Amino acid sequence: ELVLTQSPGTLSLSPGERATLSCRASQSVSTYYLAWYQQKPGQAPRLIISGASSRATGIPDRFSGSGSGTDFTLTINRLEPEDFAVYYCQQYRSSPPGLTFGGGTKVEIK
Amino acid sequence: EVQLVESGGGLVQPGGSLRLSCAGSGFILSNYWMHWVRQAPGKGLVWVSRISSDGSSTDYGDPVKGRFTVSRDNAKNTFYLLMSSLRAEDTAVYYCARGSLTALFDPWGQGTLVTVSS
Repeated sequence: ELVLTQSPGTLSLSPGERATLSCRASQSVSTYYLAWYQQKPGQAPRLIISGASSRATGIPDRFSGSGSGTDFTLTINRLEPEDFAVYYCQQYRSSPPGLTFGGGTKVEIK
Repeated sequence: EVQLVESGGGLVQPGGSLRLSCAGSGFILSNYWMHWVRQAPGKGLVWVSRISSDGSSTDYGDPVKGRFTVSRDNAKNTFYLLMSSLRAEDTAVYYCARGSLTALFDPWGQGTLVTVSS
């Protein structure tokens, strides 16, 4: 079973700072099938990055994704108050079939 | 506007059954794979199940295999999750989501809470 490990568990930062979130896979993942989601309290998750590095519609350019193989990164430049949330990475593979989420990283206000 | 709305959640006793529904609007549901994802209180996201656009193929996560059944009615732009033999550990908010060709989820419904307790 492919496991996604996100770190750190919690990131305490101030508005205006940069957030760097890590997602490490236990086996190689195609960038095509790597996504990131944002979830705010009491809300459903929202897609922010697809294909490891493509921003979803309406997502500001301070969000960027990168990585390949087993190591992926979500970077949020110049944190805005609305960016404080939990972020999840997610992967899909067809053989063997599996859809997996990482455990999440909470970005909180310092 | 593309939208998904879940319904059917509630309180159910251990061993009981419940059927969740997810109605889509603003798009043709029959063109998409559809998914269920759950989130236990204070925990992370866990993929539960998916169904192909025509309903001919289904997959399930290990925790629910043999107990949950996903189905769809494209004429009603709705798909379903029948949950049987429910356990306390099935307690969660259940989200439906539209799937893409690259198996990502966009958009998501608002979620419906299922509580399994006596």
